[in-house]
Amino acid sequence: QKEVEQDPGPLSVPEGAIVSLNCTYSNSAFQYFMWYRQYSRKGPELLMYTYSSGNKEDGRFTAQVDKSSKYISLFIRDSQPSDSATYLCAMSRGVTGGGNKLTFGTGTQLKVEL
Amino acid sequence: KAGVTQTPRYLIKTRGQQVTLSCSPISGHRSVSWYQQTPGQGLQFLFEYFSETQRNKGNFPGRFSGRQFSNSRSEMNVSTLELGDSALYLCASSVGGQAHHEQYFGPGTRLTVT
Repeated sequence: QKEVEQDPGPLSVPEGAIVSLNCTYSNSAFQYFMWYRQYSRKGPELLMYTYSSGNKEDGRFTAQVDKSSKYISLFIRDSQPSDSATYLCAMSRGVTGGGNKLTFGTGTQLKVEL
Repeated sequence: KAGVTQTPRYLIKTRGQQVTLSCSPISGHRSVSWYQQTPGQGLQFLFEYFSETQRNKGNFPGRFSGRQFSNSRSEMNVSTLELGDSALYLCASSVGGQAHHEQYFGPGTRLTVT
């Protein structure tokens, strides 16, 4: 079983919809939770990160972490065709727990249609 | 500020050969991590260098090695290439320390082994 599980999709939604992307994990040592966006033939782009449990909002994006359930989510409001990409969740233990090593989910492919 | 650069962008090698990939981090970043991305396994951590020292290593065979120079630039070497080494190799840089989780990726080097 992988440490981080993510539904690969593809997920297809109409423009303007609210998108919910999720990951579950098994390692309770994870402290930092990141979301990356990857366009085809590009490197991953850091969208946002959260430390421990809680919510964080940045424009149309909201990240939620529920450590008790080992479940994280990324919500995209008013989705746009330009949001069409693969979304990757990533986690780390923190500097004292494993340094810079990020453990990634396999990514969810999102398509926002006109 | 310039982003992470990787050279070459594309590479075709024959089984048994060796290859060296290069990564230049964002100016001021001292930590460089390498990841392998394949359709089947997703993004997997190879190793991390900080101030010219390998600080972390993933579960890859000894054929995969790296180093970091005093200007923080990093190289990754794969010896005795196998067909399964075909992948996108991504380099990520971060300031290091408490900001380890903010990793910024380059565009990657697409390696094809024939």
